Amino acid sequence: DAGVIQSPRHEVTEMGQEVTLRCKPISGHNSLFWYRQTMMRGLELLIYFNNNVPIDDSGMPEDRFSAKMPNASFSTLKIQPSEPRDSAVYFCASGEGIQYFGAGTRLSVL
Amino acid sequence: AQSVAQPEDQVNVAEGNPLTVKCTYSVSGNPYLFWYVQYPNRGLQFLLKYITGDNLVKGSYGFEAEFNKSQTSFHLKKPSALVSDSALYFCAVRDDKHNAGNMLTFGGGTRLMVKP
Repeated sequence: DAGVIQSPRHEVTEMGQEVTLRCKPISGHNSLFWYRQTMMRGLELLIYFNNNVPIDDSGMPEDRFSAKMPNASFSTLKIQPSEPRDSAVYFCASGEGIQYFGAGTRLSVL
Repeated sequence: AQSVAQPEDQVNVAEGNPLTVKCTYSVSGNPYLFWYVQYPNRGLQFLLKYITGDNLVKGSYGFEAEFNKSQTSFHLKKPSALVSDSALYFCAVRDDKHNAGNMLTFGGGTRLMVKP
């Protein structure tokens, strides 16, 4: 298996634009997680899916953030509209016991 | 609620010396404990885990961790540090209670610097 695949690896956008981050989990994993990492706040869990259903979204910062998992092999994290304070590295992870992380998407909002 | 504390932002050690990265945790039930490593511009990589059994757990790259229930600690150790071990290390915990789900709670991370 290729591991957790995230795209794009880097995203630069302007304030107010919509940003969509994509994740393909490891086949067979039923749990999927979205995290955000910044120097100031460290690693934060944004949302957790189990069997494609959102279980805990208490970490989603505000209504500008939304996440979907339409099927077992794909998830998206959308920010609309984006703001400079959303600049961070966003990670997707999958797995039930051990979580396996993707390489991340580095988002810069100018 | 579950929580993890990594009391040191950075640990400095000379190559060849033993290293310890500290972690303490708090859970309602019994803990599942994990260590992850993050190299620059990479995602977190699993190093080792404790679920049950022997308190000394061995993992990847020569790392090991000791579970101490009375001190609620799970310190990461390596007998002889390498420069290539320099990275950011995260401790994580999950409660074994059914309603805890599969979520991990991560510590704030400890940067390990190994100098030649």
